[in-house]
Amino acid sequence: DIVMTQSPVSLAVSLGERATINCKSSRSVFFSSNNRNYLAWYQQKPGQAPKLLMYWASSRESRVPDRFIGSGSGTDFTLTIRDLQAEDVAVYYCQQYYSAPWTFGQGTKIEIK
Amino acid sequence: DVQLVESGGGLVKPGGSLRLSCAASGLTFEKAWMTWVRQAPGMGPEWIGHIKSNVDDNGTTDYAAPVKGRFTISRDDSKNMVYLQMNSLRAEDTAVYYCTYTVRWGQGTQVTVSS
Repeated sequence: DIVMTQSPVSLAVSLGERATINCKSSRSVFFSSNNRNYLAWYQQKPGQAPKLLMYWASSRESRVPDRFIGSGSGTDFTLTIRDLQAEDVAVYYCQQYYSAPWTFGQGTKIEIK
Repeated sequence: DVQLVESGGGLVKPGGSLRLSCAASGLTFEKAWMTWVRQAPGMGPEWIGHIKSNVDDNGTTDYAAPVKGRFTISRDDSKNMVYLQMNSLRAEDTAVYYCTYTVRWGQGTQVTVSS
């Protein structure tokens, strides 16, 4: 199984500042035949289903604000939230869908400093 | 747009059974690999299994170790439905269960196993 290691576990950021979450996979999730990284990011608020933010590592889901930026390739990925807003308080997960079983990072809890 | 709607969750006693359903729309269902993911309270999501396409992959199923032999995933391509039959339920199966298609998720259905 591909192990996804996410860091940090929690992060306190001031409003308007930048939050950076890292995600590392134990094997590459890049598929060379279509030049895509099979890596997604989700945001989850209490009592809600995970909400898709990014897929193919850097493609933003529709209606997701452009302050959310996904980057990286191969085994190392980053989710950056620029200009943090109060509504961004949540737990964020990375997930690989390159091979079954799909696996998830442990989650990063973002709070307001 | 892909839409996935789960149903069938509820409270069940240890050792009991439950069947979850997922209605899918907005995708070429007969070619889709459908996956079930669960999330226990306070934990991250956990892949529990998938069913491949009948058309291309003979409807092959794969399961995570904690549910193998107890859970069965099936599909009805004529109805765009996928099912999760859960037998011999345990307290540790308590979770919200999500039907997914690649990175598209339903809203989930709560399963609580308790006496």
